[in-house]
Amino acid sequence: QKEVEQNSGPLSVPEGAIASLNCTYSDRGSQSFFWYRQYSGKSPELIMSIYSNGDKEDGRFTAQLNKASQYVSLLIRDSQPSDSATYLCAVSMRFGAGTRLTVKP
Amino acid sequence: DGGITQSPKYLFRKEGQNVTLSCEQNLNHDAMYWYRQDPGQGLRLIYYSQIVNDFQKGDIAEGYSVSREKKESFPLTVTSAQKNPTAFYLCASSIGARPQETQYFGPGTRLLVL
Repeated sequence: QKEVEQNSGPLSVPEGAIASLNCTYSDRGSQSFFWYRQYSGKSPELIMSIYSNGDKEDGRFTAQLNKASQYVSLLIRDSQPSDSATYLCAVSMRFGAGTRLTVKP
Repeated sequence: DGGITQSPKYLFRKEGQNVTLSCEQNLNHDAMYWYRQDPGQGLRLIYYSQIVNDFQKGDIAEGYSVSREKKESFPLTVTSAQKNPTAFYLCASSIGARPQETQYFGPGTRLLVL
């Protein structure tokens, strides 16, 4: 079974800091990578998608992909309390268990 | 408004009973998916369908069944063979049927066993 692994956390950062979320995957043939945010009791919503090695930036969010190391990460700059949620890494149709992030005011 | 709807929001199942969760989309998406989410375990793929009248098992299909008679609809039946059905069920769709397509999720259905 293809696996997607994330640190479950919780990860706690102060407001304004950078939050770093990590994900590894086992299927070397994977081509599509996604980060979703899920607030408690709600459904996941897409933050970023990335398909090529390197960095992809969208506002305060940067996704990083390294296919050789089978590693994908998400950086959140200037973290806000509203960023407090569970962040899910998805590789094709498979999801990790999620990392819970808390941003403290 | 375009989107994905799931009903009901909450569903209660008695022992030995089959229940059906509804998922409808008006986004004209080809592919649809069902996931189960348990606390601390992320999303696990139950079934997916890339085209009408065709569907494939995911990682945890045992005790579940689906149909895809219309492009817009992908209902999930939780059968009595599923011994631990209590979970948050999420339906998703994507524009195309390729794995690299972004999935968009419905609001989910919480299934509880009486």
